[in-house]
Amino acid sequence: SQQGEEDPQALSIQEGENATMNCSYKTSINNLQWYRQNSGRGLVHLILIRSNEREKHSGRLRVTLDTSKKSSSLLITASRAADTASYFCATDALAAQFYFGTGTSLTVIP
Amino acid sequence: DAEITQSPRHKITETGRQVTLACHQTWNHNNMFWYRQDLGHGLRLIHYSYGVQDTNKGEVSDGYSVSRSNTEDLPLTLESAASSQTSVYFCASSVKDNSPLHFGNGTRLTVT
Repeated sequence: SQQGEEDPQALSIQEGENATMNCSYKTSINNLQWYRQNSGRGLVHLILIRSNEREKHSGRLRVTLDTSKKSSSLLITASRAADTASYFCATDALAAQFYFGTGTSLTVIP
Repeated sequence: DAEITQSPRHKITETGRQVTLACHQTWNHNNMFWYRQDLGHGLRLIHYSYGVQDTNKGEVSDGYSVSRSNTEDLPLTLESAASSQTSVYFCASSVKDNSPLHFGNGTRLTVT
């Protein structure tokens, strides 16, 4: 399977702290994306990083990509209770086909 | 606003029955996808389509079929439902290759 793997599986932090999630994958990619899923809802796209990029920012999100290690990290700074959700990385090996990891469940305690 | 809708939100069916899950998008996207989400497995790709009359198998396509007769719709059919197909099913679309996916809110299917 080309599926990615997120680490840790679950993360619990206090509001205001930073949250870091990691993603490892197996094959070469064109880009890597991060998604958020709130309970009972579909996934929502957060950020896309291309294989020739090393770091990307969007608001309180920072994503890094190390293609030599086949890994990526998602940092959420100054977390809020509303950030409580599951976070998934998705990689593409072929055209429009994306392969998702098993996700990190983040709980932000008010 | 453009959106992607799935119906029904919940479905209970019996083993052996044929079931069709609907997916309708108003983004006018060429690419559409069906995923299933199970604990411990994340999201797995079932079928996908790059445009009208185009369909392709994903990594877990056995027991499922899709058809693409127009841009807006990609219905997913379970030919003979099995208990192993109890899952949450998500439809998604994208404007072009390597673009972000837009997801529906899912259909929870229970096969008894």
